[in-house]
Amino acid sequence: DTAVSQTPKYLVTQMGNDKSIKCEQNLGHDTMYWYKQDSKKFLKIMFSYNNKELIINETVPNRFSPKSPDKAHLNLHINSLELGDSAVYFCASSRKLAFGELFFGEGSRLTVL
Amino acid sequence: DQQVKQNSPSLSVQEGRISILNCDYTNSMFDYFLWYKKYPAEGPTFLISISSIKDKNEDGRFTVFLNKSAKHLSLHIVPSQPGDSAVYFCAASVSSYSGGGADGLTFGKGTHLIIQP
Repeated sequence: DTAVSQTPKYLVTQMGNDKSIKCEQNLGHDTMYWYKQDSKKFLKIMFSYNNKELIINETVPNRFSPKSPDKAHLNLHINSLELGDSAVYFCASSRKLAFGELFFGEGSRLTVL
Repeated sequence: DQQVKQNSPSLSVQEGRISILNCDYTNSMFDYFLWYKKYPAEGPTFLISISSIKDKNEDGRFTVFLNKSAKHLSLHIVPSQPGDSAVYFCAASVSSYSGGGADGLTFGKGTHLIIQP
């Protein structure tokens, strides 16, 4: 039974399109995150969501918007996709914000053509 | 601005020997450190952690050492096994975080460990 699951695992799309990646955790955690792993292999935080409070990394373009229908879900919506958005996006969760072990999903590889 | 640095992109070690992965950090506010292991096409999985109040933490074959004055930590794996071949990420956080930014963990770039038979 997967703790953090994200779909789709692979996504290929054209520039300018809008796409979403879904994430669900069944660990009962209070905090969820989205990380981006770019071509240089850095894992960089994009958002953290804790108790209905969204904290945004200021470097993330506003074309990216996380949406959380409930504590167990944090979906990522991306509008007007650009070539530079191609990356692997990881969802994660933890018991507390910014502390302790993060549990990651398997990643969603987005390719923008 | 790389706050967590793993300067070795890859490391090759013979099976049965010790693997030592290194990590340096620049942010003196970091007080909690973790190592994650990642296989291809999978998400990172937690391996071991250490709080800044300690200088060593051991879990089976894995030991993490922290040198706060040098802002350096290392992961020792002994003996190394073929299943240890993976990318290892060092990560750091500020445990007393109280808001102000999209906090989480700050990761290094990873070191690809290859265990040779």
